[in-house]
Amino acid sequence: AQKITQTQPGMFVQEKEAVTLDCTYDTSDPSYGLFWYKQPSSGEMIFLIYQGSYDQQNATEGRYSLNFQKARKSANLVISASQLGDSAMYFCAMREGWVDSNYQLIWGAGTKLIIKP
Amino acid sequence: NAGVTQTPKFQVLKTGQSMTLQCAQDMNHEYMSWYRQDPGMGLRLIHYSVGAGITDQGEVPNGYNVSRSTTEDFPLRLLSAAPSQTSVYFCASSYRGGRIYEQYFGPGTRLTVT
Repeated sequence: AQKITQTQPGMFVQEKEAVTLDCTYDTSDPSYGLFWYKQPSSGEMIFLIYQGSYDQQNATEGRYSLNFQKARKSANLVISASQLGDSAMYFCAMREGWVDSNYQLIWGAGTKLIIKP
Repeated sequence: NAGVTQTPKFQVLKTGQSMTLQCAQDMNHEYMSWYRQDPGMGLRLIHYSVGAGITDQGEVPNGYNVSRSTTEDFPLRLLSAAPSQTSVYFCASSYRGGRIYEQYFGPGTRLTVT
């Protein structure tokens, strides 16, 4: 079974609109962490935001926020006021177990986001 | 800091050739890993290391070898290249500390095997 599922292969969004990128995960471990990375057309992987399974509040980093719904096992990335520079591939990834015992990340297949002017 | 560096950026190999992809980081990170990225798929872990002298296999280790003689360097060796190894390869490192251990990525190596 897929551990990380990103159901939107591609999305078109008008500039300045908010966009939500979906990510669902599957784990039986009570301790885990969820990451979002951005990959622009230039190819580098850029860390955006992190949510720990025991974090009480949803993570926010500037225009990025994470809509974490633990019972539904979803960790959607929300980008507010989208910009042309947000056009990129976006990947959701999960680390299972305590952070000190497991460094490995499991990755989703990604969502290609295109911002229209 | 240069961060994570990878060489070469592009490489074309013939089937059966061997080569080493270089990865270095100057952040004194304990954890380093190699991933491959194929179209339509997320990154898949090839090998990883939690410190000098310690390496382990990831999800797709066949056809690849690694070693970690220093904290800074983590080369990936292709023993006998096959067309199925055509991919983009990323090296990443992580600091063992803080709360989240986010991984820092190199710019990638695009490998084509003909």
